[in-house]
Amino acid sequence: AQSVAQPEDQVKVAEGNPLTVKCTYSVSGNPYLFWYVQYPNRGLQFLLKYITGDNLVKGSYGFEAEFNKSQTSFHLKKPSALVSDSALYFCAVRDMTGRRALTFGSGTRLQVQP
Amino acid sequence: GAVVSQHPSRVICKSGTSVKIECRSLDFQATTMFWYRQFPKQSLMLMATSNEGSKATYEQGVEKDKFLINHASLTLSTLTVTSAHPEDSSFYICSARSMLAGNYEQYFGPGTRLTVT
Repeated sequence: AQSVAQPEDQVKVAEGNPLTVKCTYSVSGNPYLFWYVQYPNRGLQFLLKYITGDNLVKGSYGFEAEFNKSQTSFHLKKPSALVSDSALYFCAVRDMTGRRALTFGSGTRLQVQP
Repeated sequence: GAVVSQHPSRVICKSGTSVKIECRSLDFQATTMFWYRQFPKQSLMLMATSNEGSKATYEQGVEKDKFLINHASLTLSTLTVTSAHPEDSSFYICSARSMLAGNYEQYFGPGTRLTVT
């Protein structure tokens, strides 16, 4: 079975400050890890993915994520938050066989305050 | 590239009627399509996985007779909510995976908001 945990329902940061949205995963074998963002009443927008290679993955809109195998984590980060980053963020995992669909975490609502 | 569309984006129907939602991969061929359901302020829950030309595989707890899925071509999958009830009101999101080798991503549609009155 594969699962994802996002321990924080909500994260609040001030504009210009760094942000971190946490994610831990459980999967058999090597994981494929993803971050998506969702704005109100919209579908999911892909931010970044980790398949293999460098543990630090850079994605869209200045976001990056660090894969940590020993801690089974894939935290999303951004050095300087923008008010427009306020949205719902989902971490997702899939096993490397690819037979299963992505499994999503419960989501973390990011609120960036001006 | 890799655009997935859904139609309609919003639908309101009366209790007891059926509603069909279409999911199309516009610029790639999708061997596999997934249907998710999202309740307000909650995560996406996988309902079923469909492979072109074969029967869909439903997740535990999802009624296959109520949520009919057809994946008749490599670019189209449909979800029909039969005899809809107010508790079926939700945001339905489809996702498609390319048949290209080495492609690991699922591409998501914009979602369909179903309201059953």
